Amino acid sequence: GAVVSQHPSWVICKSGTSVKIECRSLDFQATTMFWYRQFPKQSLMLMATSNEGSKATYEQGVEKDKFLINHASLTLSTLTVTSAHPEDSSFYICSANVQTGSYEQYFGPGTRLTVT
Amino acid sequence: GDSVTQMEGPVTLSEEAFLTINCTYTATGYPSLFWYVQYPGEGLQLLLKATKADDKGSNKGFEATYRKETTSFHLEKGSVQVSDSAVYFCAQTGGGNKLTFGTGTQLKVEL
Repeated sequence: GAVVSQHPSWVICKSGTSVKIECRSLDFQATTMFWYRQFPKQSLMLMATSNEGSKATYEQGVEKDKFLINHASLTLSTLTVTSAHPEDSSFYICSANVQTGSYEQYFGPGTRLTVT
Repeated sequence: GDSVTQMEGPVTLSEEAFLTINCTYTATGYPSLFWYVQYPGEGLQLLLKATKADDKGSNKGFEATYRKETTSFHLEKGSVQVSDSAVYFCAQTGGGNKLTFGTGTQLKVEL
């Protein structure tokens, strides 16, 4: 139980284009989803917290107009990287809370984005 | 602000050796503490957790004790296997269900 999937697992896009990453909770309803970014040999950096039906809360320093997050249902959140540049190349990971108030997060397998 | 510090890797051990991966935290209040494991090509999985001081989390032979006096949550296993090779992340809770992660420690276990 508590499986989180991400799609695509890897994507290559050209500079200036936009790319959408999906995060789905497969067997539970996730009231809160989180989006992280992970650089090689570095820790996970929280980008934003996404609550179903409301606007995402972005961490300091994360451009909300560049990283658009939509949490349209209890099983789906999307991250769109707009006007991507090579410096946006990274590993993006989502996670979900199983229930409101619980600190336990279940993680997706991640999406490797390469911007050329 | 809140932060988690882990020992740098990679840690290379022979099978059946004893494992310790150090983790210390800084936080206001009383965070919950976690160890996550990331196997090659997979997402992070919760390995164990502790929610209050002196709690011991354990799973799959791994253990970690919440030490408030030393602000530590070191991960230990008495006898590692090749299948334990992975990256291990220490994490603590912050406000709003957020998690703060350490940088991760890669473990390589050899025959």
